Amino acid sequence: GQQLNQSPQSMFIQEGEDVSMNCTSSSIFNTWLWYKQEPGEGPVLLIALYKAGELTSNGRLTAQFGITRKDSFLNISASIPSDVGIYFCAGQLKWWKNNDMRFGAGTRLTVKP
Amino acid sequence: DTAVSQTPKYLVTQMGNDKSIKCEQNLGHDTMYWYKQDSKKFLKIMFSYNNKELIINETVPNRFSPKSPDKAHLNLHINSLELGDSAVYFCASNGGTYGYTFGSGTRLTVV
Repeated sequence: GQQLNQSPQSMFIQEGEDVSMNCTSSSIFNTWLWYKQEPGEGPVLLIALYKAGELTSNGRLTAQFGITRKDSFLNISASIPSDVGIYFCAGQLKWWKNNDMRFGAGTRLTVKP
Repeated sequence: DTAVSQTPKYLVTQMGNDKSIKCEQNLGHDTMYWYKQDSKKFLKIMFSYNNKELIINETVPNRFSPKSPDKAHLNLHINSLELGDSAVYFCASNGGTYGYTFGSGTRLTVV
């Protein structure tokens, strides 16, 4: 199956710093998505990207869908303590009756006040 | 109202037992999924159902059997539980647009 490589695995930053994480794949996807998971909860969608080259923002979050359709990055500006969690990239391929989605291994973010 | 709800939230059971996890979504979505999240937090798809029809069945031991009585429900039954089955199991649904809605997970511990 498709393999998504997400980096870094973990980040320890100071409040106010900017964060960048990325995801690459050996396969092409129709859509790239970024999710955040907090303890005891399921992943929650942050940003969805639908077109190669697309740059999308959601508040302090900015994500881009790579031109080759095989990569994406997520930036968080001016981090705050509530940004703590695990961030997952996901690549989605819509086919037939299914939207097949595969996840990266996650980036665990710790923000020190 | 919770969009995707799973029960139970926690399940502790002995090896060899049979257990079920239930999932219901009130979003009117056609497709539902089961994912397994291991101790390293890796999310792996197990099954996908579209309107009660099995679409994806990844390499999962046949001790795991999904059942979808209607498109709003997707249950997961596990026979002869093993220690390695300990994980968090997430149900999710999708309505044809991009992105899934996840439940809050069922933490299964096999002792």
